[in-house]
Amino acid sequence: DGGITQSPKYLFRKEGQNVTLSCEQNLNHDAMYWYRQDPGQGLRLIYYSQIVNDFQKGDIAEGYSVSREKKESFPLTVTSAQKNPTAFYLCASSDRDKYNEQFFGPGTRLTVL
Amino acid sequence: KNQVEQSPQSLIILEGKNCTLQCNYTVSPFSNLRWYKQDTGRGPVSLTIMTFSENTKSNGRYTATLDADTKQSSLHITASQLSDSASYICVVGDTDKLIFGTGTRLQVFP
Repeated sequence: DGGITQSPKYLFRKEGQNVTLSCEQNLNHDAMYWYRQDPGQGLRLIYYSQIVNDFQKGDIAEGYSVSREKKESFPLTVTSAQKNPTAFYLCASSDRDKYNEQFFGPGTRLTVL
Repeated sequence: KNQVEQSPQSLIILEGKNCTLQCNYTVSPFSNLRWYKQDTGRGPVSLTIMTFSENTKSNGRYTATLDADTKQSSLHITASQLSDSASYICVVGDTDKLIFGTGTRLQVFP
């Protein structure tokens, strides 16, 4: 998994609760990304960050928030405003130019009950 | 609209056989094309990355081809192994983001 860790691997939450997914990388990459994967769909970009203390919305940012206080860490919070949060969440990192190869973490499967 | 379409959706082959997966894209402007392998419940792992000027790239038993004129790519797997059972995702990069295909689910049986 290329030096990227995500925790936990499985996460269960009740509807209406916020939950934070962890992503840490030791590859010294500047850029980090959060994707969501649903059955039968390609990965969709939620948020990305190209440098510490800066991040941009992806295609489906509504109901999610992120922070990038450290180069190694890019946590994702799934808020109660996210209408359909149950999914497989993948974190990735790459060198500053995001056309470089993206290395993915092992993923977190979030189930909202 | 930028799209990446893969075929077939799923494929079953016997161990030792070869197979070819297809990817058609309508992404413009085109920057690069990647193939990833994703085991069930795991993150994708990069197999190959090709830019506009490259038309073939190999990684062991995996060979990717790119025809930028017809906007098609293929991933050929030679002498398949049970460990090749996974989803294979075609990803095309434009100037500022990646567009992911839905993947081909490959199952290799003994």
